[in-house]
Amino acid sequence: QKEVEQNSGPLSVPEGAIASLNCTYSDRGSQSFFWYRQYSGKSPELIMFIYSNGDKEDGRFTAQLNKASQYVSLLIRDSQPSDSATYLCAVNEDSNYQLIWGAGTKLIIKP
Amino acid sequence: SQTIHQWPATLVQPVGSPLSLECTVEGTSNPNLYWYRQAAGRGLQLLFYSVGIGQISSEVPQNLSASRPQDRQFILSSKKLLLSDSGFYLCAWSRQGASGYTFGSGTRLTVV
Repeated sequence: QKEVEQNSGPLSVPEGAIASLNCTYSDRGSQSFFWYRQYSGKSPELIMFIYSNGDKEDGRFTAQLNKASQYVSLLIRDSQPSDSATYLCAVNEDSNYQLIWGAGTKLIIKP
Repeated sequence: SQTIHQWPATLVQPVGSPLSLECTVEGTSNPNLYWYRQAAGRGLQLLFYSVGIGQISSEVPQNLSASRPQDRQFILSSKKLLLSDSGFYLCAWSRQGASGYTFGSGTRLTVV
């Protein structure tokens, strides 16, 4: 069974520091990787996605893929209290409509 | 631009009552549509997905059903709610052949 695993946290990071979130996936055929942010009581929103061909940087966010070890990371630089949320990792195969979801990591940015 | 609408935002229903949640997408055609449930403090559980009108795939056997009567409309229903049906229900869409999802604002259902 295809799985995506995340440490549930909470991960506590001081304001201004780098927050590093990881998820591992079981299916070597996975082609695209997504990070969603979910504030308490709200629906998930897509913040980053990468394909198997490379990493991506967008503002304070960087998504990195390690195919050999089958994990994907999300780095948040200059962490802000507004970054406090649960971060969901999701993985997809090109041949499949469905995303396989991790359970999420709760991130707390301490002022 | 594309938008997804989901309603109601909050619902409190007695055990044994029926349920109907509606989701509509604007600004695109032939989307893939999904219903997810998220229990408190838990991950996302895929309930149903649809790749076209009248085409529904169920992921979890239960007392819920889904229908897609129009291209951009997806409905989640139940004839008799159980206490265990409480949760945060999320509708999502994606383009055919692409894999990123956009979620609606969700419906928080409490069965009492």
